[in-house]
Amino acid sequence: DGGITQSPKYLFRKEGQNVTLSCEQNLNHDAMYWYRQDPGQGLRLIYYSQIVNDFQKGDIAEGYSVSREKKESFPLTVTSAQKNPTAFYLCASSTGTGGGTGELFFGEGSRLTVL
Amino acid sequence: AQKITQTQPGMFVQEKEAVTLDCTYDTSDQSYGLFWYKQPSSGEMIFLIYQGSYDEQNATEGRYSLNFQKARKSANLVISASQLGDSAMYFCAMRPFSGGGADGLTFGKGTHLIIQP
Repeated sequence: DGGITQSPKYLFRKEGQNVTLSCEQNLNHDAMYWYRQDPGQGLRLIYYSQIVNDFQKGDIAEGYSVSREKKESFPLTVTSAQKNPTAFYLCASSTGTGGGTGELFFGEGSRLTVL
Repeated sequence: AQKITQTQPGMFVQEKEAVTLDCTYDTSDQSYGLFWYKQPSSGEMIFLIYQGSYDEQNATEGRYSLNFQKARKSANLVISASQLGDSAMYFCAMRPFSGGGADGLTFGKGTHLIIQP
């Protein structure tokens, strides 16, 4: 089955620790994205990548970092510089500039709680 | 920059009734796509329907239809014959086609729909 796998689903960390959220896709999509969702809020774009070894900041990139060493993988690191990291994180992919509607396919999300 | 506005934070609807979820958008792009997603309490985002700005017909997918009024910059989602399983958050989103359009979707804040038996 093709899809996007995020792990872990739930994560608890102490304040000041860096954490890395995993995102893997087997849809052969070029573009991948990380969104953050807070209660009662929509999704806000953190980072996106249109191609391997390249990525761009989204609207709320401060305190986050990413890498795109493989087409299938787009991990997100929440650093200690992120002031309010407790949130629901969603990874997505799309065909990017390869055509289609640009619909995003989402993983099931990772819920990060910082104690 | 794009902006999506969903003015209904929450809605209660009787089962089997039709429901309209409002969405207005703001963009300077002439060519763009509009999307609706459903997010159940489990958290995953489920794609429902898409409308291109140059599509002449309103999009339909089963019980979902999109009431697209380009001049008003409105893209309301209509769910016919609502079911208990329709209870969820619903998000309107858009992306411009300029620049290749691979820089993601802009989302509204969502509408929490609750279907009552």
